[in-house]
Amino acid sequence: GENVEQHPSTLSVQEGDSAVIKCTYSDSASNYFPWYKQELGKGPQLIIDIRSNVGEKKDQRIAVTLNKTAKHFSLHITETQPEDSAVYFCARTHNNNDMRFGAGTRLTVKP
Amino acid sequence: GAGVSQSPSNKVTEKGKDVELRCDPISGHTALYWYRQSLGQGLEFLIYFQGNSAPDKSGLPSDRFSAERTGGSVSTLTIQRTQQEDSAVYLCASSLGGASDYGYTFGSGTRLTVV
Repeated sequence: GENVEQHPSTLSVQEGDSAVIKCTYSDSASNYFPWYKQELGKGPQLIIDIRSNVGEKKDQRIAVTLNKTAKHFSLHITETQPEDSAVYFCARTHNNNDMRFGAGTRLTVKP
Repeated sequence: GAGVSQSPSNKVTEKGKDVELRCDPISGHTALYWYRQSLGQGLEFLIYFQGNSAPDKSGLPSDRFSAERTGGSVSTLTIQRTQQEDSAVYLCASSLGGASDYGYTFGSGTRLTVV
């Protein structure tokens, strides 16, 4: 379908460990894959994105990988900190007009 | 303003009443989107405005929902004869252009509670 499958729905890690969230999509025309972080009571904020001509992108402790053949992309957070606790959404764009989101992953980082 | 502004931040209404939710996008952003987020759920696309083009209304769940964007800036989402299942956070986002080129900036949302 047009939407994105996101797993897991909840994830709990110990501070300092890594966290990985995976998303799959079916529309091969998708070309832009952002990740958003939503803290309690706030709107989602873009934290990293990747385009279909790139396989991996890093920004400090955050990285995103994209496998176009398998139609899946993943968010990797290393050296997790309590302030990383939030709900994370993956998304993909279709026809550059609208963005379809995954159902979200609630990440809890335990100190 | 510096960001996307939504008002009110919270709205409690009685079942059957009409409500209006407002979104003030970032100045100069030609694209504006409305999403609905039910408790613990993902973001459900509702409607999309791009410049002077006809809006994409394909996500509106029923004819009780409508939206307009006046002068290419402020947008109002109207829900008529509200039902309890309309309770959710309504998020607005704006973009400088196409979603693939510029990404979205979201507002903080309006939490609607229908009692």
